[in-house]
Amino acid sequence: KQEVTQIPAALSVPEGENLVLNCSFTDSAIYNLQWFRQDPGKGLTSLLLIQSSQREQTSGRLNASLDKSSGRSTLYIAASQPGDSATYLCAVRREDAGGTSYGKLTFGQGTILTVHP
Amino acid sequence: DTEVTQTPKHLVMGMTNKKSLKCEQHMGHRAMYWYKQKAKKPPELMFVYSYEKLSINESVPSRFSPECPNSSLLNLHLHALQPEDSALYLCASRLTGTGNSPLHFGNGTRLTVT
Repeated sequence: KQEVTQIPAALSVPEGENLVLNCSFTDSAIYNLQWFRQDPGKGLTSLLLIQSSQREQTSGRLNASLDKSSGRSTLYIAASQPGDSATYLCAVRREDAGGTSYGKLTFGQGTILTVHP
Repeated sequence: DTEVTQTPKHLVMGMTNKKSLKCEQHMGHRAMYWYKQKAKKPPELMFVYSYEKLSINESVPSRFSPECPNSSLLNLHLHALQPEDSALYLCASRLTGTGNSPLHFGNGTRLTVT
């Protein structure tokens, strides 16, 4: 059974710092990994999706890496801003040649990020 | 702004009420999902519809009844709920259940059962 762990559970940093959020998974037979952010009381916003054949994806100040063999992914946020404060979730989708999982995701517990001015 | 629209944003219902949650997307996605999220927990999958057909039911109690009337709409009918069913209910969609497209979430319906 796939288990996804995110470290740290919470992180508080001053504005402007570069930071790294970690995600690890126990079963390396994944199809892709997706990073989301969630603001309080809101839905999840997709940030980046990394396919299992890729090593990293970038969007603006965000960079996500994937090391499938070691079961790890990191989300790097450059020059953090107060508006980055949110809960960040990673989710993995397992390999599914038969298509029977219909894209089911296994989520980590999230990292609560606070960026203070 | 999310491209998956959920209504209502908030719902308070008694344990004897019947209510429905609605989800709509016009991105041409053919896989739609219902998730339940309790406070400070990740989302938990409830149901998956693929091409308007119920494909996954994660052993959800029958007091939750999903419906997919067409490729753009997903409903969740609620009846005889319990206070522990209070949660944020999230709808999501992706292009298809297979392939590498990302999952898109709505902003959810905050449900309180009294």
